[in-house]
Amino acid sequence: GAVVSQHPSRVICKSGTSVKIECRSLDFQATTMFWYRQFPKQSLMLMATSNEGSKATYEQGVEKDKFLINHASLTLSTLTVTSAHPEDSSFYICSANPFSGGAENEQFFGPGTRLTVL
Amino acid sequence: AQKITQTQPGMFVQEKEAVTLDCTYDTSDQSYGLFWYKQPSSGEMIFLIYQGSYDEQNATEGRYSLNFQKARKSANLVISASQLGDSAMYFCAFRDDKIIFGKGTRLHILP
Repeated sequence: GAVVSQHPSRVICKSGTSVKIECRSLDFQATTMFWYRQFPKQSLMLMATSNEGSKATYEQGVEKDKFLINHASLTLSTLTVTSAHPEDSSFYICSANPFSGGAENEQFFGPGTRLTVL
Repeated sequence: AQKITQTQPGMFVQEKEAVTLDCTYDTSDQSYGLFWYKQPSSGEMIFLIYQGSYDEQNATEGRYSLNFQKARKSANLVISASQLGDSAMYFCAFRDDKIIFGKGTRLHILP
């Protein structure tokens, strides 16, 4: 099946720094990628929809100036957590869809990035 | 807005028994998809099974089957002959233009 990678897999940073997480579709092109956040023992919460060549669509309650999303190419989306604080510590997962859209398809997930802010 | 509900936070099942994980959803859309994912402790999301809203037959994938009852808006996952390796979190998810996840069920398979 299609492969989605994330880098880094784990990052520890100091409070106040910015952290960039990359999501790549390795063997397919994705016009749309999704970013999720998962706190311990909780479900995945959709943060935003990343659209190639246009602005991301953020879910209600997600600060777009805090979580910057750039989908610069058909195989790469980046999530930058700006001025990270301990409450931003979480597991961030991206997903991508290799097809043009619609309900009849699968979504491929990256392996996730565990962010710890000290 | 779409809503997806998993009412079983945790389940304990004896190895080799079948297990049903519940999932209900709420939508006014006609075209949508329903997914089940498994998430082991490593954190990766493993796709198990998919059901389209227009599919007349219940989806099956090996030991996994999806009991789709459209009128009741339910999409329960059935795992037959459970194995110790099935112990994990299981998420039901609803998709129209984006995927929304339920809260999940932690399944424990007992030897």
